[in-house]
Amino acid sequence: KQEVTQIPAALSVPEGENLVLNCSFTDSAIYNLQWFRQDPGKGLTSLLLIQSSQREQTSGRLNASLDKSSGRSTLYIAASQPGDSATYLCAPETGANNLFFGTGTRLTVIP
Amino acid sequence: SQTIHQWPATLVQPVGSPLSLECTVEGTSNPNLYWYRQAAGRGLQLLFYSVGIGQISSEVPQNLSASRPQDRQFILSSKKLLLSDSGFYLCAWSAVLANEQYFGPGTRLTVT
Repeated sequence: KQEVTQIPAALSVPEGENLVLNCSFTDSAIYNLQWFRQDPGKGLTSLLLIQSSQREQTSGRLNASLDKSSGRSTLYIAASQPGDSATYLCAPETGANNLFFGTGTRLTVIP
Repeated sequence: SQTIHQWPATLVQPVGSPLSLECTVEGTSNPNLYWYRQAAGRGLQLLFYSVGIGQISSEVPQNLSASRPQDRQFILSSKKLLLSDSGFYLCAWSAVLANEQYFGPGTRLTVT
């Protein structure tokens, strides 16, 4: 069964810093991997989806990379802003649209 | 554009009472539908998914059930709630042959 680990569990940075969130997964036979953000008490917002054949995807200040063979993905956030404060979740998909989630990284960007 | 709705937003129910959570999707046809649960301090866990009306697959054995009476309606139910059923329940949809899943606003369930 797929297990997903996200490190760190929590991160606090001053505004403007670049930061990296890490995700590792045990089963490398994935179809794709999604990164989501979750605001407190809210649903999930999809940020980026990387297909298993891709190495990275970019959207604005966000860049996600995928090393499928080693079971790792990173989410890079450039020039962080207070509005980026949220919990970030990675979710590899292992068939049948079955996403497995980590417990997330809770990010706080301090103005 | 597509939108996904869930209700109620919050719910407090006593142990042993029944449960019915509803999810509807607008702006798309024949979506794949999903129910997830996020328990305190734990990651999201897939509970059920459906690829069509009346077609439900269960990922985790439990006292919950799901039904899909209409193409864009997905219902999560229980006959008797347990304390361990407390959590944040999220519904999601994806287009057929597409990978990206889109989530609803969630229902916060507290079983007392």
